Amino acid sequence: AAGVIQSPRHLIKEKRETATLKCYPIPRHDTVYWYQQGPGQDPQFLISFYEKMQSDKGSIPDRFSAQQFSDYHSELNMSSLELGDSALYFCASSLPGANVLTFGAGSRLTVL
Amino acid sequence: AQRVTQPEKLLSVFKGAPVELKCNYSYSGSPELFWYVQYSRQRLQLLLRHISRESIKGFTADLNKGETSFHLKKPFAQEEDSAMYYCALGDSGYSTLTFGKGTMLLVSP
Repeated sequence: AAGVIQSPRHLIKEKRETATLKCYPIPRHDTVYWYQQGPGQDPQFLISFYEKMQSDKGSIPDRFSAQQFSDYHSELNMSSLELGDSALYFCASSLPGANVLTFGAGSRLTVL
Repeated sequence: AQRVTQPEKLLSVFKGAPVELKCNYSYSGSPELFWYVQYSRQRLQLLLRHISRESIKGFTADLNKGETSFHLKKPFAQEEDSAMYYCALGDSGYSTLTFGKGTMLLVSP
């Protein structure tokens, strides 16, 4: 069965550059969440979308923005990258009203 | 505020030994508790949630509201149980999860 697809798997950028991560949820899942997991840290919630509208916001820096498109895929845009942005970025999706998240494999961002 | 505490970063046991991964939470409402597992080089996946009261791969977890705990237990650990385990707390009205820092379980032969 199709899972949550994240792209790219790995991304290397330099400081002050921009990066875009993409997330394709499971079909019929209309809620998407973004989590950031730094080295040796627990996943931190960044932002979520439901039906293409932002539904909740966590510890997402102002340099980051995200949106959900009409086909329910989501993109996380990161600008003015800092070394501390190096992390594994998880996307998860769920059915409406469900608390069970299905996570993607993650996109690993390395900022040099 | 929601908070999940997993006091052990690492738990190392021998195969066949009982396992208990501790999880305590802080939440003012009616919590939904989950255990997620991350095997090496794989994505996080749901192991079990308290409302289903089921046993998955021999693991069980009971929500103790008095002690605000949701410890994960297995009577006889197997080598394939070695993984990172995350306890997570969801609020009743939404799907935003607060994760604990995780406990690495190592099961030695």
